[in-house]
Amino acid sequence: NAGVTQTPKFQVLKTGQSMTLQCAQDMNHEYMSWYRQDPGMGLRLIHYSVGAGITDQGEVPNGYNVSRSTTEDFPLRLLSAAPSQTSVYFCASSPLTVYEQYFGPGTRLTVT
Amino acid sequence: AQKITQTQPGMFVQEKEAVTLDCTYDTSDPSYGLFWYKQPSSGEMIFLIYQGSYDQQNATEGRYSLNFQKARKSANLVISASQLGDSAMYFCAMREGLYNFNKFYFGSGTKLNVKP
Repeated sequence: NAGVTQTPKFQVLKTGQSMTLQCAQDMNHEYMSWYRQDPGMGLRLIHYSVGAGITDQGEVPNGYNVSRSTTEDFPLRLLSAAPSQTSVYFCASSPLTVYEQYFGPGTRLTVT
Repeated sequence: AQKITQTQPGMFVQEKEAVTLDCTYDTSDPSYGLFWYKQPSSGEMIFLIYQGSYDQQNATEGRYSLNFQKARKSANLVISASQLGDSAMYFCAMREGLYNFNKFYFGSGTKLNVKP
């Protein structure tokens, strides 16, 4: 049982490039979410999903896209990277009936 | 308005002493959940403790307890008998509503340093 996995661990992008951050969980959790953590701040919700085919926006969704075609995977796409998207990105999952979220190890993204 | 406020950017505590990390929250929803997470320097988020808005008793998990004062909208974390391994960032978080999974808010965190 690997829990929540994220790839890559580190990424450097140039402004305007696009990329996909991968998130997968093997616990059959319905709920998955993406957060960003900026220096000196807590986590802010970007997008979330309550099941395959269902996604919605969180607090800071601009510049990011998500899709959920399977229960296991919830990729986050940066369409045109900007320096303001330099951050640490966390993916999390949980069953719908449980409050606690399980977090992945994070992806550190730098946009130059 | 801030949903979660943590007013202590950094704190020091002597090993084996107890420490309280402050958290206040703001919501008009009668149903909500309060969480504390630990983030060590390695970066992972570790769930510590949960308190539901309808729970009558304060939550406890080992050396962690949550001092829940509903009227004051505070949810302070108490760590008893601090250990060197407790040195980390601590985040208070809130989820509004029983099923509103989109409304999950984190505070800015408190950095705890445990001195030997």
